[in-house]
Amino acid sequence: DAGVTQSPTHLIKTRGQHVTLRCSPISGHKSVSWYQQVLGQGPQFIFQYYEKEERGRGNFPDRFSARQFPNYSSELNVNALLLGDSALYLCASSTTGVSYEQYFGPGTRLTVT
Amino acid sequence: AQSVTQPDIHITVSEGASLELRCNYSYGATPYLFWYVQSPGQGLQLLLKYFSGDTLVQGIKGFEAEFKRSQSSFNLRKPSVHWSDAAEYFCAVGATRYSSASKIIFGSGTRLSIRP
Repeated sequence: DAGVTQSPTHLIKTRGQHVTLRCSPISGHKSVSWYQQVLGQGPQFIFQYYEKEERGRGNFPDRFSARQFPNYSSELNVNALLLGDSALYLCASSTTGVSYEQYFGPGTRLTVT
Repeated sequence: AQSVTQPDIHITVSEGASLELRCNYSYGATPYLFWYVQSPGQGLQLLLKYFSGDTLVQGIKGFEAEFKRSQSSFNLRKPSVHWSDAAEYFCAVGATRYSSASKIIFGSGTRLSIRP
């Protein structure tokens, strides 16, 4: 079975631009979570979606938004990019909204110049 | 607030030697605890987890961890490391009581290097 997939693998954007990152969960998983991992730090929770509804949000500004589609894939959107948004963005999927059995994808490396 | 502390930023051990990575957590209830490993440029792989029951937990790749409530610790151990164990290791806690989401809080990580 395929694991969690994320696209693109790498991305370079300029300050002020907008970016969309995509995630496809493991087949049968209905929950997707997004994490930001800045170089040298542990991942930080951004969002969790379950059955297309937001279940939780971390301490991130409103420039960050996400959604989940009927096929349970998800998009993370970041507006008005800042240099500090440069990070590895990880997506994790789980079977339910309360499961900690989360499986992580390889991430999208975003560089903002 | 929930938090996870990994006091060692970088550890170097010789191949074949034993390993212990330290982790302390702050949480107001019985925590869900995890250890993840991340190789360069890769995502996170779950090594082991503790939800309840036996405080000594066995994981993949020969790793184990022991939950000690009195010390708020969840240290990771391996009796004999291999060169392929070189990676970044993250301790994490699942925040249940204070969140409707399955939010995982990660420590800052410990980078493990293996000396030939």
